Amino acid sequence: EIVLTQSPGTLSLSPGQRATLSCRASQSVSSSLAWFQQIPGQAPRLLIYGASSRATGIPDRFSGSGSGADFTLTISRLEPEDFAVYYCQQYGSAPRTFGQGTRLEIK
Amino acid sequence: EVQLMESGGGLVQPGGSLRLSCSASGFTFSDYTMHWVRQAPGKGLEYVSAISNDGGSTSYADSLKGRITISRDNSENTVFLQMSRLSPEDTAVYYCVRSIIGKPFDDWGQGTLVTVSS
Repeated sequence: EIVLTQSPGTLSLSPGQRATLSCRASQSVSSSLAWFQQIPGQAPRLLIYGASSRATGIPDRFSGSGSGADFTLTISRLEPEDFAVYYCQQYGSAPRTFGQGTRLEIK
Repeated sequence: EVQLMESGGGLVQPGGSLRLSCSASGFTFSDYTMHWVRQAPGKGLEYVSAISNDGGSTSYADSLKGRITISRDNSENTVFLQMSRLSPEDTAVYYCVRSIIGKPFDDWGQGTLVTVSS
């Protein structure tokens, strides 16, 4: 199965700053890569699919890029509600797998 | 409105078995691949299993193969996860998720908590 490695494990930033999260796959997943946001106590929410397409209702400060095995989620200007845990997931190959997550915390 | 409602969680002893159910409504269930994802307390998301829309194809996480079986009943709009030989490491919230084949997850249930403890 494909292994996804996210970095960093924790990112400490302030509101208004730019966040850059990375996800690397053990083999190519083409563009079959999604990003999810999870707030404690809630189910995850889809942010990005197809590596770079925003899901319905997701603000344009969230953007995704990459293809093959290297992907990036960028949050251009952090809002207080953006501090959460972010997961990448590949859905191009069964079984679908997740990265271990990046915790975005307020500095 | 899409609804995915998990049930069947609870406290089970080590070595025991449990069957989780996920009842779906608000969409054409037989059009969707259904998945189970779990999350241990304070840990990340772990993909568990999937079943194709017609039930003809299944997949399992390598770490769980041999202990779990996924199935579905399209007449009842329900997907099941049968788990056996449970250990404390299986303690987690188990989420039911839907997707179209080859597409990302788009809706999640609220999860059901399974606790494996003596």
